Amino acid sequence: GAGVSQSPSNKVTEKGKDVELRCDPISGHTALYWYRQSLGQGLEFLIYFQGNSAPDKSGLPSDRFSAERTGGSVSTLTIQRTQQEDSAVYLCASRGLAGGGTGELFFGEGSRLTVL
Amino acid sequence: GDSVTQMEGPVTLSEEAFLTINCTYTATGYPSLFWYVQYPGEGLQLLLKATKADDKGSNKGFEATYRKETTSFHLEKGSVQVSDSAVYFCALSAGGTSYGKLTFGQGTILTVHP
Repeated sequence: GAGVSQSPSNKVTEKGKDVELRCDPISGHTALYWYRQSLGQGLEFLIYFQGNSAPDKSGLPSDRFSAERTGGSVSTLTIQRTQQEDSAVYLCASRGLAGGGTGELFFGEGSRLTVL
Repeated sequence: GDSVTQMEGPVTLSEEAFLTINCTYTATGYPSLFWYVQYPGEGLQLLLKATKADDKGSNKGFEATYRKETTSFHLEKGSVQVSDSAVYFCALSAGGTSYGKLTFGQGTILTVHP
């Protein structure tokens, strides 16, 4: 597609349920990032994918959080046994090879998660 | 670790006023510096960037100069418009093995009134 696509745009769930958030990056972009945007915490890095592998998972806040990427394209962020503090906007970004490490990240509009 | 500190907002200005949003950073090595903007209802998008000391990034009338001696990357615009109302994020990419990931400041909400 033309941009980074994320779904669902809004998700309301009950505490303790599992949720899956999907990211479809820009076609051909090999690098993919997940961030979390919450009030008072700003934008926090969660995980980075290069192709299907994740060399940097340092931002995942707990073992309830996991992510995978298949076919070097779509990525899914899974949160198990959701807690109220997981409520946030989850942002996905992708980057092509141009510009190397200084290349622009293209962001999706985010998935807003509310845990009741 | 790497960090970015932005001036706290919100910032409220009248149209055609001068804008400065301060940003300072802490990083090892020589990071690249960015300003991203988030307009209401939209995703984050790159506004401008600078990859080495004394570089000036510019776009849409906004400017920021990479100042290594003061570890700063302040955003300026000489005459703001109502359409500039948005949240502005300063960010750095440390390079090397950081894989291009960005470390963001807290964001500054800018509201411009007619």
